[in-house]
Amino acid sequence: DVKVTQSSRYLVKRTGEKVFLECVQDMDHENMFWYRQDPGLGLRLIYFSYDVKMKEKGDIPEGYSVSREKKERFSLILESASTNQTSMYLCASTLQRRSPFPSTDTQYFGPGTRLTVL
Amino acid sequence: KNEVEQSPQNLTAQEGEFITINCSYSVGISALHWLQQHPGGGIVSLFMLSSGKKKHGRLIATINIQEKHSSLHITASHPRDSAVYICAASSPFNTDKLIFGTGTRLQVFP
Repeated sequence: DVKVTQSSRYLVKRTGEKVFLECVQDMDHENMFWYRQDPGLGLRLIYFSYDVKMKEKGDIPEGYSVSREKKERFSLILESASTNQTSMYLCASTLQRRSPFPSTDTQYFGPGTRLTVL
Repeated sequence: KNEVEQSPQNLTAQEGEFITINCSYSVGISALHWLQQHPGGGIVSLFMLSSGKKKHGRLIATINIQEKHSSLHITASHPRDSAVYICAASSPFNTDKLIFGTGTRLQVFP
């Protein structure tokens, strides 16, 4: 079974702190994603990566950056946390290599990190 | 208007009831996903379909491409089916990105 793990289930930080959220997948997946989930808004894509050292902005990248130095690990960084970044953060991965052809791959999700910024 | 809309937002049922959750989308898609999220946050992919119907146990997913509509059915519902069910659309132009509905919260009572 594919396993996607996230470094913390719950995290409390103060405004202005730098926050690192880590995601690791163990099935050699090519693509990895970071989402945030807020009540009434559903899941929104922050960033995704289809290869080591590659990244693409999602729908709401402002205030976030990412790092993918190794294939299995995708980190989300909040450079200076703010209260409006309080949310549930979910990481996901898919197997298929990005190609010109449409991919309809299943996304495997981590358990989520509930971040509170005070 | 959201590109992917679900109804109802909340649903309660008695154990054993047949349940239907609907998803309508206004964009072109390459596939429609149904996901399940239990309390605590973890999300599991239930189905991915681009035409017709798929069945897994007591769960059935259908899609009508012409009407841009999909349904998730649960037969003989059970309290362990209580969860948030989310539909999401894969764009034909960038299928790495999913467009999510806001979810349907289902509670099944014994």
